[in-house]
Amino acid sequence: EVQLVESGGGLVQPGGSLRLSCAASGFTFSSYSMNWVRQAPGKGLEWVSSISSASSYIYYADSVKGRFTISRDNAKNSLYLHINRLSAEDTAVYYCGREDSSGPQTYWGQGTLVTVSS
Amino acid sequence: QLVLTQSPSASASLGASVKLTCTLSSGHSSYTIAWHQQQPEKGPRYLMMLNSDGSHIKGDGIPDRFSGSSSGAERYLTISSLQSEDEADYYCQTWGTDIRLFGGGTKLTVL
Repeated sequence: EVQLVESGGGLVQPGGSLRLSCAASGFTFSSYSMNWVRQAPGKGLEWVSSISSASSYIYYADSVKGRFTISRDNAKNSLYLHINRLSAEDTAVYYCGREDSSGPQTYWGQGTLVTVSS
Repeated sequence: QLVLTQSPSASASLGASVKLTCTLSSGHSSYTIAWHQQQPEKGPRYLMMLNSDGSHIKGDGIPDRFSGSSSGAERYLTISSLQSEDEADYYCQTWGTDIRLFGGGTKLTVL
């Protein structure tokens, strides 16, 4: 069974940094591209970043480019998102997801909440 | 510019059918999309991938009540025999080489 478990969320002060993690199991992690998607309170889904299976290709939404860094460790079956210079607009539940080779995100984690507030 | 447009809300009665629409922006009518469901207070769940010719591949365990179809730039999700647990937000998603994109979502109310 495919499982994706996010962690690392919490309350952070504006301007702070955070590292989110996603532990993957139930599939060959190194064979799949992975995504981060976020959802602000009461809002819709927003794609944040994608990374290919061997980290050869990395893409970011314009809204986070320069502040967010996606990475992965295939030996540890783990996906990461480093977030810098946090602002209130980054407050959201952050989901990791597995991307099918044909394109869609076919599996989702349960999410981790990041709250940016002083 | 690639954009997905969804109506903010829809409603239908218990046991009835409903058809939700996702519209691709001009010049992108051949794109494949995916449909996702998000029940209240839960994470999203993948429903299906839907091609421009209307062919679709559903995710594991998705009931036969859920089906997809296409017409031009429009992609549809039809839910038949509506149940109370179908009350949820429904999002369409598409992708390109360096972008993934979600529509704004449709909140479905089951009356």
